[in-house]
Amino acid sequence: RKEVEQDPGPFNVPEGATVAFNCTYSNSASQSFFWYRQDCRKEPKLLMSVYSSGNEDGRFTAQLNRASQYISLLIRDSKLSDSATYLCVVNRIGGFKTIFGAGTRLFVKA
Amino acid sequence: GAGVSQSPSNKVTEKGKDVELRCDPISGHTALYWYRQSLGQGLEFLIYFQGNSAPDKSGLPSDRFSAERTGGSVSTLTIQRTQQEDSAVYLCASSWTANTEAFFGQGTRLTVV
Repeated sequence: RKEVEQDPGPFNVPEGATVAFNCTYSNSASQSFFWYRQDCRKEPKLLMSVYSSGNEDGRFTAQLNRASQYISLLIRDSKLSDSATYLCVVNRIGGFKTIFGAGTRLFVKA
Repeated sequence: GAGVSQSPSNKVTEKGKDVELRCDPISGHTALYWYRQSLGQGLEFLIYFQGNSAPDKSGLPSDRFSAERTGGSVSTLTIQRTQQEDSAVYLCASSWTANTEAFFGQGTRLTVV
């Protein structure tokens, strides 16, 4: 089993739709969590950090459930420009490792 | 520079040759990571450097792969006796510390023919 697993996708949604991605992690020592976005043939870039209390940035909402060991990303009112691969990232301290999920591909269509 | 810089951006090499990939992290960042990404796949962790601590090499796929970081700054990833399965994009990232945002370079696209 991979340490970080994501919905495989791809998700194909119309503009304006709401879409949610989930990511589960297996190591309970995981300390911090992020969502990154990767456009085709580009490097990953930070989309948002994920805080224990949940956090929102415009149309994007991230949540963390430590008890169930998963994080989620909700995108409201999808735009064509949201089309990308979304990577779940989990850090743990003590035998450090930053683990990237395999990513979920999102296609937003007009 | 303002961001993470990697060189070369593209490298085509013959099977069996050695290659060196370079990463210049953001100044002041103590953490540096190397990842590999094959076409259509996720990021595969290779190696991690944090300050003066011993690097975490647990992701290196074979003893043909090695990396060093000189003076806590520039890092070089070396692949000896390259194989076709080494073809991928090699991404370097750096961050202030282990748990903060990682900034990626644009990667080196390695093609082994």
